[in-house]
Amino acid sequence: GNSVTQMEGPVTLSEEAFLTINCTYTATGYPSLFWYVQYPGEGLQLLLKATKADDKGSNKGFEATYRKETTSFHLEKGSVQVSDSAVYFCALSDQAGTALIFGKGTTLSVSS
Amino acid sequence: GAGVSQSPSNKVTEKGKDVELRCDPISGHTALYWYRQSLGQGLEFLIYFQGNSAPDKSGLPSDRFSAERTGGSVSTLTIQRTQQEDSAVYLCASSKLAGAFNSPDTQYFGPGTRLTVL
Repeated sequence: GNSVTQMEGPVTLSEEAFLTINCTYTATGYPSLFWYVQYPGEGLQLLLKATKADDKGSNKGFEATYRKETTSFHLEKGSVQVSDSAVYFCALSDQAGTALIFGKGTTLSVSS
Repeated sequence: GAGVSQSPSNKVTEKGKDVELRCDPISGHTALYWYRQSLGQGLEFLIYFQGNSAPDKSGLPSDRFSAERTGGSVSTLTIQRTQQEDSAVYLCASSKLAGAFNSPDTQYFGPGTRLTVL
């Protein structure tokens, strides 16, 4: 069945450091891929998405490229801020677009 | 416009009691989803409604869990005879149809209901 694997945290970085959170997936067909973010005390928010191979999703300085050859959708940001501290979830939905399948989440903590 | 809303935001109940959780989707969104977020299991899909079609109940963990969606809008998730392992944050999401195949689009989540079973 479909699944998502993302790197376990916590990830602890200093402000302005480079961030990578790895995400790989297993799916049949051509899923859509997502990164959701959950800030402390808040609900899940869509950060970015990509719906087909080689698409790059971007938002708030974060980027992720849909790589079908490596079944990956790694999240990157060139210079993190304290306000980026949150839990990040990688997710996929199949072609029918029904249930989202989530990774376990990666906690990012950025210190000044 | 308004986002997905859920009520109550917090619910504390005693083991064995029934609870009802409510979700108001974004206006115009025909697809509605329930998920559960717990420490041990992460984010799990529970049930999916799309228009007037029969719901996809494949994620419901037991027959104590049920959900309905009246008038294609508001949804209620009911947990009967609650157990301590039901303690979790219950999330609702909605999406509209999009694309050439009218597939559900990006899901937008509500703030969740935190359920604590004592």
